[in-house]
Amino acid sequence: NAGVTQTPKFQVLKTGQSMTLQCAQDMNHNSMYWYRQDPGMGLRLIYYSASEGTTDKGEVPNGYNVSRLNKREFSLRLESAAPSQTSVYFCASSPSRWSNYGYTFGSGTRLTVV
Amino acid sequence: QKEVEQDPGPLSVPEGAIVSLNCTYSNSAFQYFMWYRQYSRKGPELLMYTYSSGNKEDGRFTAQVDKSSKYISLFIRDSQPSDSATYLCAMNAGGTSYGKLTFGQGTILTVHP
Repeated sequence: NAGVTQTPKFQVLKTGQSMTLQCAQDMNHNSMYWYRQDPGMGLRLIYYSASEGTTDKGEVPNGYNVSRLNKREFSLRLESAAPSQTSVYFCASSPSRWSNYGYTFGSGTRLTVV
Repeated sequence: QKEVEQDPGPLSVPEGAIVSLNCTYSNSAFQYFMWYRQYSRKGPELLMYTYSSGNKEDGRFTAQVDKSSKYISLFIRDSQPSDSATYLCAMNAGGTSYGKLTFGQGTILTVHP
């Protein structure tokens, strides 16, 4: 009954380092999303994958890349981390891109870039 | 100007109070409206959802949508300490927006015994 699992839960990076945030869902959902949450800004969409094999940019994609590895897994990569990328990152999934309500979120990855 | 505006609070109320949380929005294409609850250091969880204008009630929670005013509300009756959380409104235009949600900033609510 795991739902959406994100790893790691916490990470500290130095400016310029790279890392990949992992996300996996076990609900057989087709669509997956990456959001970042910053104080006073709410959640903002970084990238999404409507279905396996497709990815598209969201509202704030600069500095990130994504890979939809298979139907279950959707990873987010920071190639050269910057302090502006300090945030809490949430992965979410929904049954399909036409799902207007049925989003399930992971518990987040708290990233600090120093 | 943000597409969705939400008063960040914080809001502190005594147990048993009626709580009113609100969001305004500017995009008239939004048709699907949601409220998420987020406990500290957790991901958001869907609390209520409505389509277009109208009211929806679920236990102590009532969601209202007024599309003519571009205004949505969440009411919590008989508030409990366990309701202490951040409440996020979210909206979706449906159709070709491909399930992309637009969130408000979130309101931090504390219900004290």
